Amino acid sequence: DAGITQSPRHKVTETGTPVTLRCHQTENHRYMYWYRQDPGHGLRLIHYSYGVKDTDKGEVSDGYSVSRSKTEDFLLTLESATSSQTSVYFCAISESLVRQEQFFGPGTRLTVL
Amino acid sequence: ILNVEQSPQSLHVQEGDSTNFTCSFPSSNFYALHWYRWETAKSPEALFVMTLNGDEKKKGRISATLNTKEGYSYLYIKGSQPEDSATYLCALLQTGANNLFFGTGTRLTVIP
Repeated sequence: DAGITQSPRHKVTETGTPVTLRCHQTENHRYMYWYRQDPGHGLRLIHYSYGVKDTDKGEVSDGYSVSRSKTEDFLLTLESATSSQTSVYFCAISESLVRQEQFFGPGTRLTVL
Repeated sequence: ILNVEQSPQSLHVQEGDSTNFTCSFPSSNFYALHWYRWETAKSPEALFVMTLNGDEKKKGRISATLNTKEGYSYLYIKGSQPEDSATYLCALLQTGANNLFFGTGTRLTVIP
């Protein structure tokens, strides 16, 4: 299994509070991704990174920011959590999407009350 | 937002039946198509990465074909088993892109 972990695995928070989710990899892969999983929508891309300090928005980036200061870590921040951000968040890594698949982390279940 | 469609959304089959489902995608700017298997309460796991028109890949009882000119891929499962129950996702990589665009998946339930 690819070395990819997410923390925390579960979190309950209140509307308006900041939340940071962490994705950590030991594979030295270039690309890192944050997705959210919601019923009826499958996996939707929030943000991704193609290198240290290089990030770009996905299709559902509003309300989220990311940072990647080291190859191994990719942080997802909800500056002011809303109930619509209640979801399961998956991190994924890849070295090359043409030659290789994405490897997914175990997921973080976030509940915003 | 790309139009990657999967059909059917869900299906139930009897153990031992063979089944197949479809992923449709825009044929322009095609670069690669991924298939993933996603069991409930787990993370998606890759099945195949396909790049060439006419490509056919196989892993055990699961196989996939790719038609890039008409923009579709089929996933086949031969002799379905209860452990095949999962959601099967396809995802498109377009030329010049750094990210995949996922379909919403086909949820397969295999009845013992």
